[in-house]
Amino acid sequence: DQQVKQNSPSLSVQEGRISILNCDYTNSMFDYFLWYKKYPAEGPTFLISISSIKDKNEDGRFTVFLNKSAKHLSLHIVPSQPGDSAVYFCAASDNYQLIWGAGTKLIIKP
Amino acid sequence: EPEVTQTPSHQVTQMGQEVILRCVPISNHLYFYWYRQILGQKVEFLVSFYNNEISEKSEIFDDQFSVERPDGSNFTLKIRSTKLEDSAMYFCASRGDDSQPQHFGDGTRLSIL
Repeated sequence: DQQVKQNSPSLSVQEGRISILNCDYTNSMFDYFLWYKKYPAEGPTFLISISSIKDKNEDGRFTVFLNKSAKHLSLHIVPSQPGDSAVYFCAASDNYQLIWGAGTKLIIKP
Repeated sequence: EPEVTQTPSHQVTQMGQEVILRCVPISNHLYFYWYRQILGQKVEFLVSFYNNEISEKSEIFDDQFSVERPDGSNFTLKIRSTKLEDSAMYFCASRGDDSQPQHFGDGTRLSIL
């Protein structure tokens, strides 16, 4: 079952630069998408979400972009900070449940 | 900031034994969920619960699994007769209403021997 895909297992970015994390989905019925951040030994922490009626949502250093025709979303973090080093999960909501990507481990280099 | 609390953080159980994982969702939240993540795999949905009944459950959530909200604060997941393949991190989540995201606890690591 690959309804939500994060094709990059890891990403390394210099501190202060932009981090771009990507996510693809296959089900065009998905109408709400979320990004979660996870540190080791902790649960996922909600970061930002976007509804399918929008193509962009911004919250401080975090911006999520949605391209419905390409079934693609991305999370931009700018500027990247050392505390951003974590695993980032993309998830799609079908009202009852979240369907998760495999996660991308983001490493911010000083 | 209010948070979802899960206990215990780590549970070790013999195969075939019953186990109960406990969760205290955020106060005033109405929707409750259990997910699990087997080591090296994706997070998987188990069950959603609303208005004192199961809203939806996945194929994983078979007759060995049950959920309960015994009082106004706790939300439990019971596995009746554990199997080796039940070893995983189990996450509880809650949310206030349809427009809000799910908030997660730190998980219970279940190890079946």
